[in-house]
Amino acid sequence: AQKITQTQPGMFVQEKEAVTLDCTYDTSDQSYGLFWYKQPSSGEMIFLIYQGSYDEQNATEGRYSLNFQKARKSANLVISASQLGDSAMYFCAMREGNPRSGGSNYKLTFGKGTLLTVNP
Amino acid sequence: GAVVSQHPSWVICKSGTSVKIECRSLDFQATTMFWYRQFPKQSLMLMATSNEGSKATYEQGVEKDKFLINHASLTLSTLTVTSAHPEDSSFYICSATGTASLTFGSGTRLTVV
Repeated sequence: AQKITQTQPGMFVQEKEAVTLDCTYDTSDQSYGLFWYKQPSSGEMIFLIYQGSYDEQNATEGRYSLNFQKARKSANLVISASQLGDSAMYFCAMREGNPRSGGSNYKLTFGKGTLLTVNP
Repeated sequence: GAVVSQHPSWVICKSGTSVKIECRSLDFQATTMFWYRQFPKQSLMLMATSNEGSKATYEQGVEKDKFLINHASLTLSTLTVTSAHPEDSSFYICSATGTASLTFGSGTRLTVV
């Protein structure tokens, strides 16, 4: 079974509008973390936002926010005021276990990604 | 912030030769490094986890004799693709963690001809 599911292979959004990228996850761990990364065509992985399983508030970083619904095991990324430079591949990823227990707990499992295209 | 330098950024090699990819943490000590492989238009798949001074732990289906990983110091890990074949052509990317964060390298695009 997939641990991270991104059901949208591709998404289109008009410049300046908001867009939500979906991510659901599956884990039996109580301690876990959810990440979103942006990967432009150059290939680098750009960290966007992180949500820990014990964080009560939804994470926000500038135009990025994470809609964390623990009971539904979903961690959707919301990008507000889309810009042309937001066009890229977006990956949701999860680490399981407590990273304070060791670096190996930063092992990430990635979803298949969503290709976002921002139209002018 | 934490920086991980990965070299080379791209490499073309002949089938049957070996290629070494380096991943360096520039401003922190990386106790654990991860190596991922990404085929075109696909996700990142973890190949192995390496802890400084010990043998790497490979994911199921990854040939440890083909993908040699060395993590001899707290700032350097290397991935050597031995006897490369065209099917090994892929994007390889490392990530490193020290204490409380995870940083990715910029990736290496390997083409085997």
